[in-house]
Amino acid sequence: GQNIDQPTEMTATEGAIVQINCTYQTSGFNGLFWYQQHAGEAPTFLSYNVLDGLEEKGRFSSFLSRSKGYSYLLLKELQMKDSASYLCAVKDSNYQLIWGAGTKLIIKP
Amino acid sequence: IAGITQAPTSQILAAGRRMTLRCTQDMRHNAMYWYRQDLGLGLRLIHYSNTAGTTGKGEVPDGYSVSRANTDDFPLTLASAVPSQTSVYFCASSEDTSSDTQYFGPGTRLTVL
Repeated sequence: GQNIDQPTEMTATEGAIVQINCTYQTSGFNGLFWYQQHAGEAPTFLSYNVLDGLEEKGRFSSFLSRSKGYSYLLLKELQMKDSASYLCAVKDSNYQLIWGAGTKLIIKP
Repeated sequence: IAGITQAPTSQILAAGRRMTLRCTQDMRHNAMYWYRQDLGLGLRLIHYSNTAGTTGKGEVPDGYSVSRANTDDFPLTLASAVPSQTSVYFCASSEDTSSDTQYFGPGTRLTVL
C-alpha cells in the first residue's frame, strides 16, 4: 500500500528553527509537495521537490532524498503566524496526490 | 479574481437526504478534484476530472458522484447521505494532472445526522 508518515504534532519557540520530517512509500514518484494549512482554512502550496536536494524559498526550505523516501521542511526564524498544520504529499505514478495526515506545529512565544 | 469558490460553507443534513456541494473555478484549469479531510487522516481523493467531460474515481468514491459539464464547475453529489460522510470537503484545481500545484477552495463543512 501507499503510505506517508509525518509527526502528529511539534512545538517550537518563536525565532527558532524547526524541521518537519516526512517519509513515504508510494507506487511511483512524480514529486513531493508541502502545503500549509491554518486551522479552519484551505491548504496552500509551500514547496515542490522532484529532484534530490534542497529547495530554498525565503524562510522555508524543503529537502528530498528519493533513495531514502524522505523529505523535510525546514522553517527558520519562526513567527507566531507559522502556527499551522504542514501537509506532506507525494504524486504517485498515476499523478494522484497521496497525502500525509499533517503535522500540527505549535509556536510558543 | 476569486480562484475557487465552494458552496455552501457549512451544512447540517439529515441522513438519507440528497446533497450537492458546488465548486467553481475561474482559472480555466483543466483538472479538478474533490477531497475529504477527516481528523487524524490525510486528505483523501473522492473523484477527479482531468478535463471537461471526463471524470475518474479516487480513493474513496463510494456514495459520491460528480459531473464535469464545463471547465469551471465540478459539483459533488451525495445521493443518500450517511453519518460517515460527515467531513470537511475541499475542491481543488490544477492546470492539468501533471502540473505542480493544486489550488484549494475554502471548503464545505458537512454534518450528517
